[in-house]
Amino acid sequence: EVQLVESGGGLVQPGGSLRLSCAASGFTFSNYWIHWVRQAPGKGLVWVSRIKDDGSITDYADSVKGRFTISRDSAKNTLYLQMNSLSVEDTAVYFCATGTFMLDSWGHGTLVTVSS
Amino acid sequence: DIVMTQSPDSLAVSLGERATINCKSNHSLLYNSNKKSYLGWYQHKPGQPPKVLINWASTRESGVPDRFSGSGSGTDFTLTISSLQAEDVAVYYCQQYYNAPYTFGQGTKLEIK
Repeated sequence: EVQLVESGGGLVQPGGSLRLSCAASGFTFSNYWIHWVRQAPGKGLVWVSRIKDDGSITDYADSVKGRFTISRDSAKNTLYLQMNSLSVEDTAVYFCATGTFMLDSWGHGTLVTVSS
Repeated sequence: DIVMTQSPDSLAVSLGERATINCKSNHSLLYNSNKKSYLGWYQHKPGQPPKVLINWASTRESGVPDRFSGSGSGTDFTLTISSLQAEDVAVYYCQQYYNAPYTFGQGTKLEIK
C-alpha cells in the first residue's frame, strides 16, 4: 500500500523558513515524480512544485519560485520542501502526492501557519 | 502558465438528479502525438486526500462509480454525475497535466438541494 506521510509543519513568523518532509513507502520511490500541493484555509488546491524521479528536473509555481526548493533523498525514500522568505499567503496545508500522470496517491498533509 | 477555470463555483442538485461541472483551459491540453487531453478530475472531501475520478479527460479511474463521467477535448471539459448520491457531496477540481505548473481549477462545491 502506498503511504505518504508529511511532517515539519508548524508556526513560523513572516520572513522565516521551514523544511517539510514527506516519507514514502509501499512503492518504488525512485521511479516516480513527486509533487507538493497546498490548500490555504477555506481555499482550493494549488499545485506548488514537482521533482523528477531521479531528481534531475524540478518545477515550481510562480508564487513560490525562488523561495521554495524541492529535493529528494532516494536512500531515505523522502521528499523535502525547503521554504524560505515565508509570507502569510503561504499559510496552508501542504500535501505531497505522486502518480504516473495524475496524482493518485496523497498524504494527509501538514499545516504551515505563517503569522507574527 | 495554463489557467484552468471551472464553472459554476458551487452547485446544489437534488438527489438522483444530474450534476454538471465545466472546466475550461486557456491552452489546448490535447497532445497531437497521442490524441489525448491531459486533463483529469478529482473529488475532495473534508479531512480526506483528493481522489482521482477521471483521467485523460474521459477515462474513469478503477473503482469509481459509473455515474461519474468525463467528456471534452482540447480546451473545454465536463464532469457529469448522472444521478447524484448523498456521498457525492464534495469539492470537485479539474487539473491539467499537460505541462508544469500542473494547475488546478478553483474548485466547484457540490451540495444537495
